[in-house]
Amino acid sequence: KQEVTQIPAALSVPEGENLVLNCSFTDSAIYNLQWFRQDPGKGLTSLLLIQSSQREQTSGRLNASLDKSSGRSTLYIAASQPGDSATYLCAVDDMNNNAGNMLTFGGGTRLMVKP
Amino acid sequence: NAGVTQTPKFQVLKTGQSMTLQCAQDMNHNSMYWYRQDPGMGLRLIYYSASEGTTDKGEVPNGYNVSRLNKREFSLRLESAAPSQTSVYFCASSVNSKNTGELFFGEGSRLTVL
Repeated sequence: KQEVTQIPAALSVPEGENLVLNCSFTDSAIYNLQWFRQDPGKGLTSLLLIQSSQREQTSGRLNASLDKSSGRSTLYIAASQPGDSATYLCAVDDMNNNAGNMLTFGGGTRLMVKP
Repeated sequence: NAGVTQTPKFQVLKTGQSMTLQCAQDMNHNSMYWYRQDPGMGLRLIYYSASEGTTDKGEVPNGYNVSRLNKREFSLRLESAAPSQTSVYFCASSVNSKNTGELFFGEGSRLTVL
């Protein structure tokens, strides 16, 4: 069964820092990996989707990389801002999802960017 | 741009009561999903509908039923609510269910069962 782990569970940084969030998964047979953002009391918003054949995706100050063979992805946030404070979740779309678990989510990293 | 809309946003039930969570998407997506989110447990799939007319169990289906009413709407029903069903419920949709692509979520429905 696919397992997705995110470390650290929480992170507090001063404004302006560049930071890296980590996601690891146990089964490399995936279609894609997505990074989501969740604000308190809100739903999830998709930030970046990396197909299994891709190495990275970029959107503005965000860059996500994927190393399928090692089961790792990183989300890089450049020049962090207080508005980046949220919980960030990664999820893998598992090829072996016969049990019906279409996406397997990590537990998330709760990020606080201090002014 | 409504995206995925869920109702109600908040609900308090007594043990044994029933209720239905409604979800609608306006993106012409084929696949729809119901997840629950609990502290320390992350997001877990309850049921999904790969396409109109089909529904399948996810990881935690016990105590729930679903109906894919049409391509737009996917409802989740609790027939006899239990305190263990206190959670935040999210509806989501995607173009397809295999190699799902980008997943779009609703704002969530916060359910408390007393």
